[in-house]
Amino acid sequence: GESVGLHLPTLSVQEGDNSIINCAYSNSASDYFIWYKQESGKGPQFIIDIRSNMDKRQGQRVTVLLNKTVKHLSLQIAATQPGDSAVYFCAEILYTGANSKLTFGKGITLSVRP
Amino acid sequence: DVKVTQSSRYLVKRTGEKVFLECVQDMDHENMFWYRQDPGLGLRLIYFSYDVKMKEKGDIPEGYSVSREKKERFSLILESASTNQTSMYLCASSRVSYNEQFFGPGTRLTVL
Repeated sequence: GESVGLHLPTLSVQEGDNSIINCAYSNSASDYFIWYKQESGKGPQFIIDIRSNMDKRQGQRVTVLLNKTVKHLSLQIAATQPGDSAVYFCAEILYTGANSKLTFGKGITLSVRP
Repeated sequence: DVKVTQSSRYLVKRTGEKVFLECVQDMDHENMFWYRQDPGLGLRLIYFSYDVKMKEKGDIPEGYSVSREKKERFSLILESASTNQTSMYLCASSRVSYNEQFFGPGTRLTVL
């Protein structure tokens, strides 16, 4: 929503530069990770996912990197565009049958300077 | 074009009122979710449902209930709204558990 970006850390990048958005996750046993993008006034939208048995996954203009040693997830956006301005959330999922757990990060605001 | 729709974008209610928030998805998804989103706190899961008439509590179910009578529809109910339930409410659906979720546009609820 429109107030989602308040109180969140902000990353400001120049249009055309590459962006790197970082996320520290909490559970070393988490199986699956997702990045979501939320534009102002809209619900979150899936960007890319990665399973815990992978280190890297590439999509169109986006790459997700997973470092399980330090419980760190990053989203790289190539050639950042004004339309990339949004709040970005990481999500970690632990699958344990009936007690599966999904946890969202608090989010980071990406601001693209023209 | 797949879609998750929510009954209202903005809603203003008074303390003590009963509030219904409705969500409909057209993707034949088994799983549906209700979240609230507050500045600085991120998305927090209230309830989810993995099948018709089935529900599971999320992280913050207190003060809320849900109903899923049809596969495509998932309702969030505030039995007696309170000011601390003023928030953005987001509905989502997924085909597989917590995997890729499709979100609705959100309902901004203000409780006076």
